[in-house]
Amino acid sequence: DARVTQTPRDKVTEMGQEVTMRCQPILGHNTVFWYRQTMMQGLELLAYFRNRAPLDDSGMPKDRFSAEMPDATLATLKIQPSEPRDSAVYFCASGLGQGAADTQYFGPGTRLTVL
Amino acid sequence: GQSLEQPSEVTAVEGAIVQINCTYQTSGFYGLSWYQQHDGGAPTFLSYNGLDGLEETGRFSSFLSRSDSYGYLLLQELQMKDSASYFCAVRDQGFQKLVFGTGTRLLVSP
Repeated sequence: DARVTQTPRDKVTEMGQEVTMRCQPILGHNTVFWYRQTMMQGLELLAYFRNRAPLDDSGMPKDRFSAEMPDATLATLKIQPSEPRDSAVYFCASGLGQGAADTQYFGPGTRLTVL
Repeated sequence: GQSLEQPSEVTAVEGAIVQINCTYQTSGFYGLSWYQQHDGGAPTFLSYNGLDGLEETGRFSSFLSRSDSYGYLLLQELQMKDSASYFCAVRDQGFQKLVFGTGTRLLVSP
């Protein structure tokens, strides 16, 4: 049963700490998306990659967020330093080919709480 | 840019049929997607309409009218497990990314 996995599932940290979230896309999928979801802002796209290359990270606060794909099976989203306003659920999604954006498979999410 | 409008909440009873509408404004259009999200869960892909007309998948159907910039998701034979949030989404012109609506919370009662 192919699915996107994310770790950790829950993270509680203190303001100023570094947070790293990891995502393993579905094997063979070449497009990876990072989203953030809050009650106030809904589902926001932070960044996405195709064939490991970053195509758009305009949704990310550049000064503290960074996203990478060290290899085809791992995507990371890092926040340094973290702030309370970063508290949200972070989803990774993956897709394949030209239809990747239209048909995305989401991971279970990482619930981040910054105190 | 893109903007999507959908009702914030819809209520219905088990066994009924409910329609969730979505209107959009886009500078370009490729298709309309629908996702379901249960409380505490992740969005799950339901359907995609790239052309006008109706797409049917079991109890769920999705419709698109590109001339009206309008689509809807139709849920038939509602079950309690259909209580969830439903998001419509369109692809941003020139990019391989989706813009999501604010979601419609569906409450199914016995």
